[in-house]
Amino acid sequence: EVQLVESGGDLVKPGGSLRLSCAASGFTFTSAWMSWVRQAPGKGLEWVGQIKGKSDGGSTDYAAPVKGRFTISRDDSESTLYLQMNSVKTEDTALYYCTWLWNGGPHFWGQGTLVTVSS
Amino acid sequence: DVVMTQSPLSLPVTLGQPASISCRSSQGLVSSDGNTYLSWFQQRPGQSPRRLIYKVSNRDSGVPDRFSGSGSGTDFTLMISRVEAEDVGLYYCMQGTHWPPYTFGQGTNLEIK
Repeated sequence: EVQLVESGGDLVKPGGSLRLSCAASGFTFTSAWMSWVRQAPGKGLEWVGQIKGKSDGGSTDYAAPVKGRFTISRDDSESTLYLQMNSVKTEDTALYYCTWLWNGGPHFWGQGTLVTVSS
Repeated sequence: DVVMTQSPLSLPVTLGQPASISCRSSQGLVSSDGNTYLSWFQQRPGQSPRRLIYKVSNRDSGVPDRFSGSGSGTDFTLMISRVEAEDVGLYYCMQGTHWPPYTFGQGTNLEIK
């Protein structure tokens, strides 16, 4: 059974940092393309960024609002995905979902972890 | 960036009746590999999104066959043949052809009349 379990969400002050984690199981994580998608309270879905599988070079791509502030990484030995969030802004407040990308989009989603940016 | 526009944004439907959601992209979604990466997602109240359809018309595992997707180029449709109570929620289309970024529609709220 595929499982994606996010953790690390918290209340953080503007300008602060936070690291989210996503523990994956039930599929071959090493070759999987993974992404983060967020949803602000009462709003729609917004793609944050992705990381390719090892066999595809493991490179990353980011949405414009987070580029230069957020970093996606992975530990294939632990089947874990990370999202390092730096210089956070109030507009980064959202539920952050870890997703497994397959056939052009998020095939499987975690339950989400809540990040609140507020002073 | 490719803009995805859904209509309607609110969709009241009688139980057992069909429902249709439209999604239009600001540019064609045929990829260089010949595939069209248009997906549909369902988000029930209080739950994570779940993909229903990928590459325009392919149902994900476990998705009831009352859900179907169609379309080409820039115009796509999600059809529910007979709406059930469990279908209440938000529906999003998303393009995965011209990334980054992957882009979602605004969402359509399906409710029971």
